[in-house]
Amino acid sequence: SQQGEEDPQALSIQEGENATMNCSYKTSINNLQWYRQNSGRGLVHLILIRSNEREKHSGRLRVTLDTSKKSSSLLITASRAADTASYFCATGSYTTSGTYKYIFGTGTRLKVLA
Amino acid sequence: DSGVTQTPKHLITATGQRVTLRCSPRSGDLSVYWYQQSLDQGLQFLIQYYNGEERAKGNILERFSAQQFPDLHSELNLSSLELGDSALYFCASSARSGATNYGYTFGSGTRLTVV
Repeated sequence: SQQGEEDPQALSIQEGENATMNCSYKTSINNLQWYRQNSGRGLVHLILIRSNEREKHSGRLRVTLDTSKKSSSLLITASRAADTASYFCATGSYTTSGTYKYIFGTGTRLKVLA
Repeated sequence: DSGVTQTPKHLITATGQRVTLRCSPRSGDLSVYWYQQSLDQGLQFLIQYYNGEERAKGNILERFSAQQFPDLHSELNLSSLELGDSALYFCASSARSGATNYGYTFGSGTRLTVV
């Protein structure tokens, strides 16, 4: 079963606008990552935020984490056509057997119109 | 080029057949992870190997198996293939097992089509 659920499933904006996508999860996590996937390609790691962090920035990306609400958001500012892709959150946590794994959400498909 | 190499890039095969997908992790990475991505779906974690040993198992069918060799490359074997096994299969690697501060490095995937 999926741990993370992204919202919205699809988003279409104009170039230059900001894009916000959200991720909700169900259980306690150690950290949360965001990945980008261009159509049919491999995933590219964007940013990681630890459970004791509330906000993190990387270039035009801003990630927030609210562990009380079990949610995270990814903001892309001043979007560009090249940002068109699917964005996935991945929650990292220890399993009951002591192993550690990341579980990916279903993704948000972002389309930036030129 | 992410440093993770997956072969083949595309594979078309018939139902009932068996295929092997191969992954070479990024240099220095000891962990290999396999994920399945069906159309319009997120990534389903299949299995993880660390330095040759199975470390974690996800939603991997009994018809599927994997291994990691001494040179750290990994193979995912899919047998008795069904139409529903058509998907993108990704391999990812990381330096260590467990929590990572740097994320996984993904390969470009193998697109499997079962006809």
